[in-house]
Amino acid sequence: QQPVQSPQAVILREGEDAVINCSSSKALYSVHWYRQKHGEAPVFLMILLKGGEQKGHEKISASFNEKKQQSSLYLTASQLSYSGTYFCGTRVDYKLSFGAGTTVTVRA
Amino acid sequence: NAGVTQTPKFQVLKTGQSMTLQCAQDMNHEYMSWYRQDPGMGLRLIHYSVGAGITDQGEVPNGYNVSRSTTEDFPLRLLSAAPSQTSVYFCASSYSILEPGYGYTFGSGTRLTVV
Repeated sequence: QQPVQSPQAVILREGEDAVINCSSSKALYSVHWYRQKHGEAPVFLMILLKGGEQKGHEKISASFNEKKQQSSLYLTASQLSYSGTYFCGTRVDYKLSFGAGTTVTVRA
Repeated sequence: NAGVTQTPKFQVLKTGQSMTLQCAQDMNHEYMSWYRQDPGMGLRLIHYSVGAGITDQGEVPNGYNVSRSTTEDFPLRLLSAAPSQTSVYFCASSYSILEPGYGYTFGSGTRLTVV
């Protein structure tokens, strides 16, 4: 079952912040986050392995609330290079299921 | 290291034709998988493999076959192409899906059109 991401799209000006949410109806072992630029392959950003653990990549960080079966990705002081579609992936057994994605557009 | 290599990059098939999408990785990853990406639907898992000789179905396996005779290669076969299989196909690999801390490395994708 695919996790649910929100919002579907967000438009930011450089320097603004944004939060992308990911929720699952199933208990989670881990949560992955990826970014995909238009016409390219998804690129791994980070993985969260246990409840409450926060990871960071540049000024992008994430949190994982195991109890609520939710994860959030935080884009801080956004840069033009942050534009793309962000996907969360949730693992159950040997399968990694992805959300439908959140398209982020950062404008100068 | 080349990472994950997919061929071809583009393919047009006629309805009913069969073909094989190739995927090879040179990172000694034990886990490999195939996804299809359609607008607004994210990435959906077709088949996966946890090691040579072991494969299993994902979320949308109908119309596709896989095999894994070596650690490096994981081809995806379309048995009888249908327009509904028009999509972008990504192969992804990971050192281990069970060991903590390992993300997926994706290939560059194959854009398939079935007419």
